[in-house]
Amino acid sequence: GQQVMQIPQYQHVQEGEDFTTYCNSSTTLSNIQWYKQRPGGHPVFLIQLVKSGEVKKQKRLTFQFGEAKKNSSLHITATQTTDVGTYFCAGGFNNNDMRFGAGTRLTVKP
Amino acid sequence: GAGVSQSPRYKVAKRGQDVALRCDPISGHVSLFWYQQALGQGPEFLTYFQNEAQLDKSGLPSDRFFAERPEGSVSTLKIQRTQQEDSAVYLCASSETGPSLNTEAFFGQGTRLTVV
Repeated sequence: GQQVMQIPQYQHVQEGEDFTTYCNSSTTLSNIQWYKQRPGGHPVFLIQLVKSGEVKKQKRLTFQFGEAKKNSSLHITATQTTDVGTYFCAGGFNNNDMRFGAGTRLTVKP
Repeated sequence: GAGVSQSPRYKVAKRGQDVALRCDPISGHVSLFWYQQALGQGPEFLTYFQNEAQLDKSGLPSDRFFAERPEGSVSTLKIQRTQQEDSAVYLCASSETGPSLNTEAFFGQGTRLTVV
């Protein structure tokens, strides 16, 4: 079926440490999107990757899309307390569906 | 409106009661999604519309769940004979075109349903 797996479920880091979350699909994705959800809020779009092997950066955030378009990662360099939240990947499938991973909840200790 | 609007924001229903959740997508957005998000979990896909056509309803957990978008804009998610396991936040999202055409989804604030 169309599923996107995401790990880890939780990540607790000291402020200044790096953080990475990974997503994987058993089938080829048309694209992958990343969202951030703050506690009590709704998912907010961060970025979209479309091309095989694509890498995009937003300040301290680096997003990668695998060569086979089946996996993706989000890496945050030198985390800050403002990075706290749950990060979700969402895989776009050729039938126009979009499925979310379970999310990685990031907590940052100052 | 400026964003996706969902109503009500909170709903408490007695077990067995029917509920209707409304989603007003961004004007002109073709795609509309409904997700169910349990506490501490990721959004679980329920159903997807492209304009008025319901292209995928494979995520609806039972025949008690029904969604419609009759005019291709506002959508309603109806849950009949609610049960406690239906308690969750129901998120609606819309996008300008289909996700495979590479447009981001905008989420509403969600409706928190509590079945008692």
